[in-house]
Amino acid sequence: NAGVTQTPKFRVLKTGQSMTLLCAQDMNHEYMYWYRQDPGMGLRLIHYSVGEGTTAKGEVPDGYNVSRLKKQNFLLGLESAAPSQTSVYFCASSWETRGRDTGELFFGEGSRLTVL
Amino acid sequence: LAKTTQPISMDSYEGQEVNITCSHNNIATNDYITWYQQFPSQGPRFIIQGYKTKVTNEVASLFIPADRKSSTLSLPRVSLSDTAVYYCLVGERMGRIAAGNKLTFGGGTRVLVKP
Repeated sequence: NAGVTQTPKFRVLKTGQSMTLLCAQDMNHEYMYWYRQDPGMGLRLIHYSVGEGTTAKGEVPDGYNVSRLKKQNFLLGLESAAPSQTSVYFCASSWETRGRDTGELFFGEGSRLTVL
Repeated sequence: LAKTTQPISMDSYEGQEVNITCSHNNIATNDYITWYQQFPSQGPRFIIQGYKTKVTNEVASLFIPADRKSSTLSLPRVSLSDTAVYYCLVGERMGRIAAGNKLTFGGGTRVLVKP
């Protein structure tokens, strides 16, 4: 089991360029999330999805778009990158909790994005 | 969402017990307390979750008083490899996403274990 896999792991963009981060999970989780983490800070939720074909805004959604066309994949897009989007991006997934499930988040290794 | 407050950093030595207290004065009835651990250049990892009293697993213990306005994560006999950032989260279990129920990670507590 690979768990949660993010690609690419590193990327450097120029202001105004676009790119897509791919998150793939092989645990058949219903829920998936994209977070960003800035130096010395906690994680902030960008967007999330509660199932295939659904997406919703998190805490800091501006400047990002997402899609969940397949249950195992959650894509994060930057249409016009800005220096303020320089960050480490983490994808996570979890079960829909039932009964005593903890709703544990499983995170990927992160994708470090630099926008010049 | 219940706001959490935890110390910014703590130092300890190998073999000692580390206790990190998290304050969450406005915790709601349906909220659980969950702790995550994050090593540098890695995503956070679930440590433990509790609702009340005490929960223990192979990694840590979580103590929650009756009023649930605070909680304490206890790491027994830490080693150098326990150096990490520890996050306290309060909210409904993550899988029960609903309007407003989006768990947020605060700044965490940076624990440094010294030899």
